[in-house]
Amino acid sequence: DTGVSQNPRHKITKRGQNVTFRCDPISEHNRLYWYRQTLGQGPEFLTYFQNEAQLEKSRLLSDRFSAERPKGSFSTLEIQRTEQGDSAMYLCASSRRDRGRTDTQYFGPGTRLTVL
Amino acid sequence: DAKTTQPNSMESNEEEPVHLPCNHSTISGTDYIHWYRQLPSQGPEYVIHGLTSNVNNRMASLAIAEDRKSSTLILHRATLRDAAVYYCILRASGTYKYIFGTGTRLKVLA
Repeated sequence: DTGVSQNPRHKITKRGQNVTFRCDPISEHNRLYWYRQTLGQGPEFLTYFQNEAQLEKSRLLSDRFSAERPKGSFSTLEIQRTEQGDSAMYLCASSRRDRGRTDTQYFGPGTRLTVL
Repeated sequence: DAKTTQPNSMESNEEEPVHLPCNHSTISGTDYIHWYRQLPSQGPEYVIHGLTSNVNNRMASLAIAEDRKSSTLILHRATLRDAAVYYCILRASGTYKYIFGTGTRLKVLA
């Protein structure tokens, strides 16, 4: 178990540029989540994948945000035309369903985005 | 949406027990209560979860009120490494959306 990895760990970009983040989940986990966290706040849910299917998206996720999980393995989160308000930590988590219809999420270290 | 309420911060002395409360009066009958913690500059880390009965694991205990409208995370002997933000989390009913809230920042005094 190598844990959830995220790349890059830090990204600085200029307003208007596109950025893409990658998440590699724990290998046997079929569930994958993306969250956004700003300073002093808890993580906010962005989207959820079960295998390759994106089953849920938050209303927070504007049209500039898109996420994919081809073949149900790694996932990417792309932000187009970045704005300063997009500056945040982007967290990925993976899980598999436990007994009793819940799951335990394992989080990656996050990608910190700074938009200048 | 499912909502949790926690104190913003708490302090504890090292090697003493800590009780971290959480109110979740809007919980639905089938929702699990999850607790995660987040150390500085790291992603959240699973602590414990439960449905109705009290739960114990190597990290902590979870005491759930009979009406399930509140719960308490118990760290039996706080250490300096337990200093973190602790989140009590529900999943919004009928969705995959986990709602974190602002959590409780635990300070452990040596």
